[in-house]
Parts: sequence; structure tokens; C-alpha cells
Amino acid sequence: QKEVEQNSGPLSVPEGAIASLNCTYSDRGSQSFFWYRQYSGKSPELIMSIYSNGDKEDGRFTAQLNKASQYVSLLIRDSQPSDSATYLCAVTCNFNKFYFGSGTKLNVKP
Amino acid sequence: NAGVMQNPRHLVRRRGQEARLRCSPMKGHSHVYWYRQLPEEGLKFMVYLQKENIIDESGMPKERFSAEFPKEGPSILRIQQVVRGDSAAYFCASSPPTGGDNEQFFGPGTRLTVL
Repeated sequence: QKEVEQNSGPLSVPEGAIASLNCTYSDRGSQSFFWYRQYSGKSPELIMSIYSNGDKEDGRFTAQLNKASQYVSLLIRDSQPSDSATYLCAVTCNFNKFYFGSGTKLNVKP
Repeated sequence: NAGVMQNPRHLVRRRGQEARLRCSPMKGHSHVYWYRQLPEEGLKFMVYLQKENIIDESGMPKERFSAEFPKEGPSILRIQQVVRGDSAAYFCASSPPTGGDNEQFFGPGTRLTVL
């Protein structure tokens, strides 16, 4: 059974701070890793994808992957109240079937 | 440049009726995925389809649920004889043909309520 684990939160950070979201996965064969943002009542929106060890930056977002530790994280710099949402980690090992974590709820306080 | 489209957005059914959910993938995408999400829970994979083929249906309940993606027209997720436990948000996602980026893009979802 492939598992993707996330802390459900809520994670509360003040506006302007760095939010750090973490995800661990059980399948060592996993090859692709994704972060989605989901606002309440809306559909998931792709934020970042990462395929190799290290960091990948896109604007205020940085994804970090450590395959040896089976760990992927998302950092959000200069957090804004509009970043308040649930963040879903997704993992795939065969480029098709995605396994999603249950999500971490982020609260950015003005 | 339309994204993934789903309809209806909201669907109300009484127990025992059939629910039919539709999904049109993004232009150029040939892979379709269906997920179910219960309130305050994550996305659960149901089925992965390509045109006229079911590739992986390991997440589909064994009874009452079926999916298709015909050569022409949208993908359909059908739930027969619905029960209250089927009430959930059903999301469709699509991705390009294998070999390119395999990112999945989601439609707005269909919220099914079973009375």
C-alpha cells in the first residue's frame, strides 16, 4: 500500500513569514512529486512539480526533494493571507497513477 | 484555451437513482483520471482512462461504479443505485500523452448529494 503522509495542521503563520509544509512517502520507486493548492470548495490547483533531488524555485514557492529520506517539502516565502488553503502533496511512480496525501491546512494571519 | 470541464457542477439524486458525471479533458490531453473527495479528506484515486481504454480501475468500488472514455465525447463516470455514502465531490483530471510532462490538471468538480 503506497502511503503519502502529511500533517493535517492547521499550520498558522503570520503574514510575511515562511510557511514550511512537509510530506513523506513510502514507495522508494516514486519518481514524480507535486504540490497542489486547494481552496475550500474548489478544485486542486497545481503549484509545483519536482522530479530530482534538490530545490526548485518558482516565485515565492520552493519545492525540496530528498529521495534518500523519502521526503518532499514546500516552502512559501513572504506568506500572504491569500495563501491560506489546504496544500496537497502528490506522488507517482509510473507517471500516471497519483497518490495524494490528505493535505495540510495553512492559515496565514494578517 | 479551455481547461478541464466537468458537468454538472452540482447533482442531487435520491437513493436508488443513477448519477452520471461528465468530464472533457484539456485540449491535447488524452489521459483522464477520476478522484473522489469526502469533506475534510484527501483525494482518492478511482480510475485512469485513455480513449476507449480503462488503464487502471483499482480505486473503483467493485459494484455500481463504472467509467468510460469513448472515442468521441467526454469521459463519463456512472454511479448506479446511489446511496448516501456516495455523496462527495468527484474531480476529473487530465494529462498529456505519456512522454511529456505528466502533470495532472483538475476540473472544477461535481458535487454529488444523495438524499
